[in-house]
Amino acid sequence: EAAVTQSPRSKVAVTGGKVTLSCHQTNNHDYMYWYRQDTGHGLRLIHYSYVADSTEKGDIPDGYKASRPSQENFSLILELASLSQTAVYFCASSDGRPSGNTLYFGEGSRLIVV
Amino acid sequence: GQQVQQSPTSLVLQEGENAELQCNFSTSLNSMQWFYQRPGGSLVSVFYNPSGTKQSGRLTSTTVIKERRSSLHISSSQITDSGTYLCAMGRGSNNRIFFGDGTQLVVKP
Repeated sequence: EAAVTQSPRSKVAVTGGKVTLSCHQTNNHDYMYWYRQDTGHGLRLIHYSYVADSTEKGDIPDGYKASRPSQENFSLILELASLSQTAVYFCASSDGRPSGNTLYFGEGSRLIVV
Repeated sequence: GQQVQQSPTSLVLQEGENAELQCNFSTSLNSMQWFYQRPGGSLVSVFYNPSGTKQSGRLTSTTVIKERRSSLHISSSQITDSGTYLCAMGRGSNNRIFFGDGTQLVVKP
């Protein structure tokens, strides 16, 4: 069974609207991440968290907020969606230890902003 | 600038041929992984290999930390190996993870 689940799996949003992408993990991991993937490119880190009620900025945080209300849940919030935020978003979790830091990914959320 | 460089960008093989994918890092790293991404799909860890050589079936990963590089060798490729292979490195005290842009592999019958 999937240990990292994302919702929604796909969404069409209107420019200027609010979008919330949700992620739930059952791995008991401390670290959670939100990545963005644009066609033909690798993943870029938006926000991450290593403890509940705390989030950190990644490499491309502008236009995004994150929320970590519990160890299991991590949300990505687009307050004012823009065309440039059309992409596939991946959530991942890891135990965070440098010696054993394998990432486990969700299935991705495809967002189209029109 | 790009911290993780992958080559080649794309690769087309005939079934049964071998493939060698390369990953180079511009900075020191704590960890490195190879991921496989199905067309339009999620990512699955293929190897977590911060140093040395690891083998799993037809796949072999070799990471040389001092030279800041890692390779993924696929022997006797199969059609089902088609997809994108991404490498990622972890660095810093909080082990931030950075991805390359991937190598798109197509294996033809």
